[in-house]
Amino acid sequence: GAVVSQHPSWVICKSGTSVKIECRSLDFQATTMFWYRQFPKQSLMLMATSNEGSKATYEQGVEKDKFLINHASLTLSTLTVTSAHPEDSSFYICSAPPGGGYNEQFFGPGTRLTVL
Amino acid sequence: RKEVEQDPGPFNVPEGATVAFNCTYSNSASQSFFWYRQDCRKEPKLLMSVYSSGNEDGRFTAQLNRASQYISLLIRDSKLSDSATYLCAVTTSGYALNFGKGTSLLVTP
Repeated sequence: GAVVSQHPSWVICKSGTSVKIECRSLDFQATTMFWYRQFPKQSLMLMATSNEGSKATYEQGVEKDKFLINHASLTLSTLTVTSAHPEDSSFYICSAPPGGGYNEQFFGPGTRLTVL
Repeated sequence: RKEVEQDPGPFNVPEGATVAFNCTYSNSASQSFFWYRQDCRKEPKLLMSVYSSGNEDGRFTAQLNRASQYISLLIRDSKLSDSATYLCAVTTSGYALNFGKGTSLLVTP
């Protein structure tokens, strides 16, 4: 099946630093990727839709200047958490639909961010 | 009101039991429906898509009732390895998933 990777799998950083998370589709091209966030004991919440070659679409309440998304190629989307603060500590997961009429989408293994 | 709602549980059942989860969604324009399984600190894994005609995969049966806007998952003959959180998810347009909060299942010996 299709594989999506994420890097890093976990990161601990100091408050105020920026953290970049990469999401790669390994064996298919993804014109669209999705970024989700999950706080402890909460649901996965869609943050934004990453579109190859164009601007990302952000969900209501998600600050686009804080969560920068770049989808520079058909296999890579990056999420940068700028000036991270402890309240940004969460589990960030990307997903990508392989398309071609395939209903399913594939998730990366997630990145656990802890901001001290 | 949240778009996708699930009973958070936890459901504690003995091995071999049958357990059922329900999920309701508020957007009548929802198009696709799924059950995912999520283990602690891991990404969700697709368990099954849900169709109006109902579908079965081994010990798992999923049903969709569009009129009542609810989705169900039945697990028969529960195994210890079924212990996880089960997430209901729907899409309205495109592929973006709208998840429920999840129902926690613990199968005990």
